[in-house]
Amino acid sequence: DSGVTQTPKHLITATGQRVTLRCSPRSGDLSVYWYQQSLDQGLQFLIQYYNGEERAKGNILERFSAQQFPDLHSELNLSSLELGDSALYFCASSDRAAGDTQYFGPGTRLTVL
Amino acid sequence: AQSVTQPDIHITVSEGASLELRCNYSYGATPYLFWYVQSPGQGLQLLLKYFSGDTLVQGIKGFEAEFKRSQSSFNLRKPSVHWSDAAEYFCAVGAAGGGADGLTFGKGTHLIIQP
Repeated sequence: DSGVTQTPKHLITATGQRVTLRCSPRSGDLSVYWYQQSLDQGLQFLIQYYNGEERAKGNILERFSAQQFPDLHSELNLSSLELGDSALYFCASSDRAAGDTQYFGPGTRLTVL
Repeated sequence: AQSVTQPDIHITVSEGASLELRCNYSYGATPYLFWYVQSPGQGLQLLLKYFSGDTLVQGIKGFEAEFKRSQSSFNLRKPSVHWSDAAEYFCAVGAAGGGADGLTFGKGTHLIIQP
């Protein structure tokens, strides 16, 4: 158990809908990262937040957004969902803003029908 | 841009045999290197990491990896595999000191253990 929690574990929705994935980092960690794992793209970095502020952006679509709240939990919002958004979404956390070990949560499996 | 190559998509090893999983990276500065393991339906578990210092690093579950700067490699090894080692293994590279672009992962190597 990494100490990173993600909810829900599974999510099934329809095209065009909007969903929110939630992540709680390990106690004391200030950085939260979001990754997408799909069969065709593999594991891709989406976005990082550090202490409430956006720190780095990866291959995140404009339909996707994230935020980190004062209690340091983070939410990833996915809108106008398409079939291709079906994937496993991981959250990871680390202590520092950069150059640190990232610990991963169990993931949320999103299925778009 | 950084990249990670894991040349072997699948590897089959007999239980008790030794294992080496290959990883090559491309990175413009000093990298941080990681190996993660993912069991079916599970998240990513950190096996080991290299930040600096001794180029041979020890990890959990009896795994070790050696950083070779001249070959841009960070191969994972285990002297004797167990059936429970069957999983997907990912090599990743991150920015050392300052960069904040998230980790770049290889495509993964699927390890199959034969009885």
